[in-house]
Amino acid sequence: SQQGEEDPQALSIQEGENATMNCSYKTSINNLQWYRQNSGRGLVHLILIRSNEREKHSGRLRVTLDTSKKSSSLLITASRAADTASYFCATDPLNQFYFGTGTSLTVIP
Amino acid sequence: NAGVTQTPKFQVLKTGQSMTLQCAQDMNHNSMYWYRQDPGMGLRLIYYSASEGTTDKGEVPNGYNVSRLNKREFSLRLESAAPSQTSVYFCASRTTTGTGGGQPQHFGDGTRLSIL
Repeated sequence: SQQGEEDPQALSIQEGENATMNCSYKTSINNLQWYRQNSGRGLVHLILIRSNEREKHSGRLRVTLDTSKKSSSLLITASRAADTASYFCATDPLNQFYFGTGTSLTVIP
Repeated sequence: NAGVTQTPKFQVLKTGQSMTLQCAQDMNHNSMYWYRQDPGMGLRLIYYSASEGTTDKGEVPNGYNVSRLNKREFSLRLESAAPSQTSVYFCASRTTTGTGGGQPQHFGDGTRLSIL
């Protein structure tokens, strides 16, 4: 399987805390993307980081990429109850997408 | 602007029955994808269509067929449903034009399929 792994599988935090989730992937990449999935819904794109970038910010999101370790991390700062969702990393070599197994985040109000 | 629309939202089949899952996008995207999502497995690519008139196998194509009917529509067919195909099926689309690659996918809300 080309699927990546995400760690942790589940994470529960208090509102206002930061949440960090990690992704490891298997192939060489041009870019890596993070998606969010709310319960019962499709995935929504959050942020993309290219292979020549080490860090990228978008609002409360911070993504890092270490291509030598084939890993990425997503940090959500000052979490809110509305951030409760599953988060997936994805790579797309040769126009095929490979998603990680996901981190389920619960933010407790 | 509806984005990606999947029909039906729910379906229950008996083993051996056939059915077609429909997907349509109104964003003029050239690439479309079908995935299945199983607990603990994330999303796995079944088939994709890089452009109108082409289709290619993904990671788990066995037991499925697809048709890229036109630029907007991409259907997934189960010819003889099996209990192992019980899953949530997602359709996605994206443009592959523009510089730098990595255009994001846009997803429908899924079809929940149970096979008894």
